[in-house]
Amino acid sequence: NAGVTQTPKFQVLKTGQSMTLQCAQDMNHEYMSWYRQDPGMGLRLIHYSVGAGITDQGEVPNGYNVSRSTTEDFPLRLLSAAPSQTSVYFCASSYSVTGGYYGYTFGSGTRLTVV
Amino acid sequence: KQEVTQIPAALSVPEGENLVLNCSFTDSAIYNLQWFRQDPGKGLTSLLLIQSSQREQTSGRLNASLDKSSGRSTLYIAASQPGDSATYLCAVGDAGGTSYGKLTFGQGTILTVHP
Repeated sequence: NAGVTQTPKFQVLKTGQSMTLQCAQDMNHEYMSWYRQDPGMGLRLIHYSVGAGITDQGEVPNGYNVSRSTTEDFPLRLLSAAPSQTSVYFCASSYSVTGGYYGYTFGSGTRLTVV
Repeated sequence: KQEVTQIPAALSVPEGENLVLNCSFTDSAIYNLQWFRQDPGKGLTSLLLIQSSQREQTSGRLNASLDKSSGRSTLYIAASQPGDSATYLCAVGDAGGTSYGKLTFGQGTILTVHP
């Protein structure tokens, strides 16, 4: 039972490069989300998805794209990396019960540095 | 916009002490509140989840309380151990509508328990 798997664990990008952070879950969870964690600012929601084909923006969506073609996968794309996107990125999944969302499972994170 | 604040930002205690971590939130219209633990370089592990209709939840040496009307939650750790050293994060789940399932995090409390 892998839970939520994020790849890569570490990445260094040059300003202007693009890349995709991968996230996969094997728990058949409906809800998936991406957060970034910066020192002193806690975790902030970038994008989220309530099911395959459905995505929406969170608090800090600029510079990021997402898609959800399957229940299992929720990749995060950086279109043109900027130093301000240096952060630790976490993917999370959860399932809904009677209209609510429970059982959050987080991946181990991707540490991204943009130089 | 929901804002979550955690006090103190850091706490250092000797082994065996009972301690309290505090979390406050500005909008009482929440669906639930969760406490997470984060070890250095790792992802988040869910400790306790309190539904908005509940007052407290307990798991082993951990007890979390919720006072929705005053916008406060506390995490009580009994008989602290060095293995409890970690960052503890409070997260509020938004209630209803398009923000369903989204978590708003506090900045965390860094706990150090020394032998």
